[in-house]
Amino acid sequence: AQSVSQHNHHVILSEAASLELGCNYSYGGTVNLFWYVQYPGQHLQLLLKYFSGDPLVKGIKGFEAEFIKSKFSFNLRKPSVQWSDTAEYFCAVSVNSGSARQLTFGSGTQLTVLP
Amino acid sequence: DGGITQSPKYLFRKEGQNVTLSCEQNLNHDAMYWYRQDPGQGLRLIYYSQIVNDFQKGDIAEGYSVSREKKESFPLTVTSAQKNPTAFYLCASSPSDGLSGSSYEQYFGPGTRLTVT
Repeated sequence: AQSVSQHNHHVILSEAASLELGCNYSYGGTVNLFWYVQYPGQHLQLLLKYFSGDPLVKGIKGFEAEFIKSKFSFNLRKPSVQWSDTAEYFCAVSVNSGSARQLTFGSGTQLTVLP
Repeated sequence: DGGITQSPKYLFRKEGQNVTLSCEQNLNHDAMYWYRQDPGQGLRLIYYSQIVNDFQKGDIAEGYSVSREKKESFPLTVTSAQKNPTAFYLCASSPSDGLSGSSYEQYFGPGTRLTVT
């Protein structure tokens, strides 16, 4: 079965700092990769996704992620964070395997941006 | 407005009682999912359904049951057999192509926070 690791449980940054959140997955076949964000009191929502093609994908609010197949990684980046980026971020993987269409989530990274 | 609704937002129950959480979607999605979110553990899949009248166990199905009698509804029952039912429960849905088995991204509801004492 696939698994997802997010090694940073809590990240604290000042505004304008650069962000990189790590995500590694374990699965040898074709994967679809996602980053979701959960702002305080709001629904879990999609930030960006990778299905195929260009391994550098851009999402909403200036976020981007790079799929590096050789490293089984899909790290999330943002060059300059804002206070409004304070939220919990989840990496997830979906595999194309018969009836297994569910998402497997990482444990999440809480990002706190200090004004 | 299209979306997923979950009710109620907060739910309190006594130990030993079964409780049913509601999930409704008007996105015309085929697939629906139930997750449980606990601090530091991310989201774990309880059950999912790809089509009406069919559903599959996820990673932590023990102590839970579901039904899928209508496309737009996927209620989750937390039974008295669930040993640690206090958690935040999220419902999601997604369209599917029905051919290769691949899924589009999932859309999430606002969640129900269940507290059992």
